Amino acid sequence: DAGITQSPRHKVTETGTPVTLRCHQTENHRYMYWYRQDPGHGLRLIHYSYGVKDTDKGEVSDGYSVSRSKTEDFLLTLESATSSQTSVYFCAISEPEGAGVLTGELFFGEGSRLTVL
Amino acid sequence: QKEVEQDPGPLSVPEGAIVSLNCTYSNSAFQYFMWYRQYSRKGPELLMYTYSSGNKEDGRFTAQVDKSSKYISLFIRDSQPSDSATYLCAILRIQGAQKLVFGQGTRLTINP
Repeated sequence: DAGITQSPRHKVTETGTPVTLRCHQTENHRYMYWYRQDPGHGLRLIHYSYGVKDTDKGEVSDGYSVSRSKTEDFLLTLESATSSQTSVYFCAISEPEGAGVLTGELFFGEGSRLTVL
Repeated sequence: QKEVEQDPGPLSVPEGAIVSLNCTYSNSAFQYFMWYRQYSRKGPELLMYTYSSGNKEDGRFTAQVDKSSKYISLFIRDSQPSDSATYLCAILRIQGAQKLVFGQGTRLTINP
């Protein structure tokens, strides 16, 4: 299994509170991603990072921010959580195309289940 | 219109049946086609991968791509209860940064 750890795995919080989810990898992969998974929508990209301090928005980035100060850590922050952000959040990692690297293969963490009341 | 459309199911079939899972996509720039399998309360894992039209086999699994119709399929032969999972098609868009676009996922149950 790819060395990806998400924390916390489960969290219940109230509307308006800040929440930070952490993704830690031991694979030294360059790319890191945050997805959310909701019924009827599948996996949707929130933000991704292509290097330390290099991040970009995905398709559902409103209400979320990210930071990557080290290769191994990628943080997802909900500044003021809303009920619409109740979801399962997945971190994923990948390497750019290169010798022996499968283009587009993502390795996923176990997920963080967030409930906003 | 979503870039990748997948019937969410759920799909329930008896053990030993042939299963067909399908996706359609809208963007001709998509070049790499994948199927991920996700067991309950786990992260998705890559199951099959192809970048050309035609069929690719791996044991009981066959991935099929028809670029002219923008249609991809996954066939499972001799389905087993252990195949029960959610199957997500995923397509890689290479326009600038690589981005993987997922279908909604189909929940499959194989009944013993």
